[in-house]
Amino acid sequence: AQSVTQLDSQVPVFEEAPVELRCNYSSSVSVYLFWYVQYPNQGLQLLLKYLSGSTLVESINGFEAEFNKSQTSFHLRKPSVHISDTAEYFCAVTPFTGFQKLVFGTGTRLLVSP
Amino acid sequence: NAGVTQTPKFQVLKTGQSMTLQCAQDMNHNSMYWYRQDPGMGLRLIYYSASEGTTDKGEVPNGYNVSRLNKREFSLRLESAAPSQTSVYFCASKDVVRETQYFGPGTRLLVL
Repeated sequence: AQSVTQLDSQVPVFEEAPVELRCNYSSSVSVYLFWYVQYPNQGLQLLLKYLSGSTLVESINGFEAEFNKSQTSFHLRKPSVHISDTAEYFCAVTPFTGFQKLVFGTGTRLLVSP
Repeated sequence: NAGVTQTPKFQVLKTGQSMTLQCAQDMNHNSMYWYRQDPGMGLRLIYYSASEGTTDKGEVPNGYNVSRLNKREFSLRLESAAPSQTSVYFCASKDVVRETQYFGPGTRLLVL
């Protein structure tokens, strides 16, 4: 079975500051890793994913995440946040094999203030 | 191309009432899912359907039933609603090539 830990339930930052949202996972098999974003009163949207290849993956709006297998982590970073990045961010994993169900962390609410 | 649609957007039920949440996708995906989202608990899988004609229990199936009506539609039924089922319910479908789930806008359910 898989589990995902997002230790920070809320992260307040000022606009244009850097941010890191932490994600650690546990799995006995190899997994794919994802970050989803949920804006207020909306469904979840895929932000970025790691399937294979380069361990550093980027999104179109400036976020990046790095897969670290030895530390079983997939932290999300952005060098300079905007007010519009205020949202809830969910880390998720799914195993390579079998029917691939997503297992989500409990989410981190990013609050960007002016 | 609407993606994943869900109806209704909001619903208030009394304890013991029944209702069906509807979900449809127009992306020709085989796999569909129902999740519930509760504060501080992330999303938990209720039921999923790997393909038309098959359904399986997820992490929290008690009190729910599902029907995969056809490839497009996957409904979730509460036979006798309880206050513990107050939640936001999300339907999703999966693009297996891109290994990506696409979510609907959600249904907010309040059970009194």
